[in-house]
Amino acid sequence: GIQVEQSPPDLILQEGANSTLRCNFSDSVNNLQWFHQNPWGQLINLFYIPSGTKQNGRLSATTVATERYSLLYISSSQTTDSGVYFCALLGSYGGATNKLIFGTGTLLAVQP
Amino acid sequence: GAVVSQHPSRVICKSGTSVKIECRSLDFQATTMFWYRQFPKQSLMLMATSNEGSKATYEQGVEKDKFLINHASLTLSTLTVTSAHPEDSSFYICSARNPGTEAFFGQGTRLTVV
Repeated sequence: GIQVEQSPPDLILQEGANSTLRCNFSDSVNNLQWFHQNPWGQLINLFYIPSGTKQNGRLSATTVATERYSLLYISSSQTTDSGVYFCALLGSYGGATNKLIFGTGTLLAVQP
Repeated sequence: GAVVSQHPSRVICKSGTSVKIECRSLDFQATTMFWYRQFPKQSLMLMATSNEGSKATYEQGVEKDKFLINHASLTLSTLTVTSAHPEDSSFYICSARNPGTEAFFGQGTRLTVV
């Protein structure tokens, strides 16, 4: 099946620092999303980005589908950015269409 | 963004009983709903994909007779954990989407089987 690997698995930042999270995938995708999972388990939609670059405040994302990776940039990090970041791929895998498969996740801790 | 409501948020049940979890899309009609299971400090594992009016497609290794999924309408899908055992204790999350759009997630249900 499709492999979705995220790096780094863990990241500790000082408040105000910038970071780049990476999502590598092994198969073609119809679409890609980035999520932030808060401490209560809720998944918050960050980006819906099959290709190109999008920005939303301090966050931006870039997907290069032909090279099978996506990047999430966090600038001027804040303690509220802490949590787990997931990428998820929508595609046809294992004989089924439109499956949403999650990456391995990056656990981010922003320290004051 | 769109709102997906999942209920209950927490449930404790006795071993051998069944538990039903509801997933509702509140402000849109969802042709597809996904059900996931998440263990502590791990990623979300897709259990099944359900399309309204059709039987759910289960992932390899997921027992369809144990995890019953019903997607009876465009706004409601249910997951029933039958004859629950302690090893079924986990965090269950649903998601809803339409073709060509992003997926939105419910708040999750923490199931504890005692």
